[in-house]
Amino acid sequence: GAVVSQHPSWVICKSGTSVKIECRSLDFQATTMFWYRQFPKQSLMLMATSNEGSKATYEQGVEKDKFLINHASLTLSTLTVTSAHPEDSSFYICSAMVAGGPGAKNIQYFGAGTRLSVL
Amino acid sequence: AQSVTQLDSQVPVFEEAPVELRCNYSSSVSVYLFWYVQYPNQGLQLLLKYLSGSTLVKGINGFEAEFNKSQTSFHLRKPSVHISDTAEYFCAVSFYGGSQGNLIFGKGTKLSVKP
Repeated sequence: GAVVSQHPSWVICKSGTSVKIECRSLDFQATTMFWYRQFPKQSLMLMATSNEGSKATYEQGVEKDKFLINHASLTLSTLTVTSAHPEDSSFYICSAMVAGGPGAKNIQYFGAGTRLSVL
Repeated sequence: AQSVTQLDSQVPVFEEAPVELRCNYSSSVSVYLFWYVQYPNQGLQLLLKYLSGSTLVKGINGFEAEFNKSQTSFHLRKPSVHISDTAEYFCAVSFYGGSQGNLIFGKGTKLSVKP
């Protein structure tokens, strides 16, 4: 159980184009999904927290207009990198948290990640 | 401020030897603790977690960790490692009552198991 699918796993695009990454919880409902960015040989940096049906909460320093997040359902969140540039090349990882309730323990389950290369 | 420290960035070890990966945290409130493993070019896989109860938790792949509240530590151990355990290991903390379950990650420890 608790499987998170992320697609695509690897994408190469030209500078100036937009790229959409999908994150799906396959066997549970996730009211909250998270988007992380990981630079080579570094830890994960939280970019934004995505709540179903509401606007995402972005971390300080993350451009809202560049990294568009949509959480349209309890099982799907998308991250769109708009007008991508080479400096946006990175490994992007999503996670989904089991829907809260009494005794919810803030457990995040992670997708396999998406490697974005902008030429 | 709340933080997570993984004291060792790299840990080389020979196959079948025991290993301990260290993790300390700083917090003024109760915490939930996690260890994740990341294989090359992959996402994070949950190894084990401490939420409450017994301070010794067992996870997948023969790993275990012990929560020590007085030392604010959550070290990860395995009595005998395999080549396949070579990966990056991340300690993470979620703070009780924290905003939407946000995780704070340590910088990671690269475990290299040599034959």
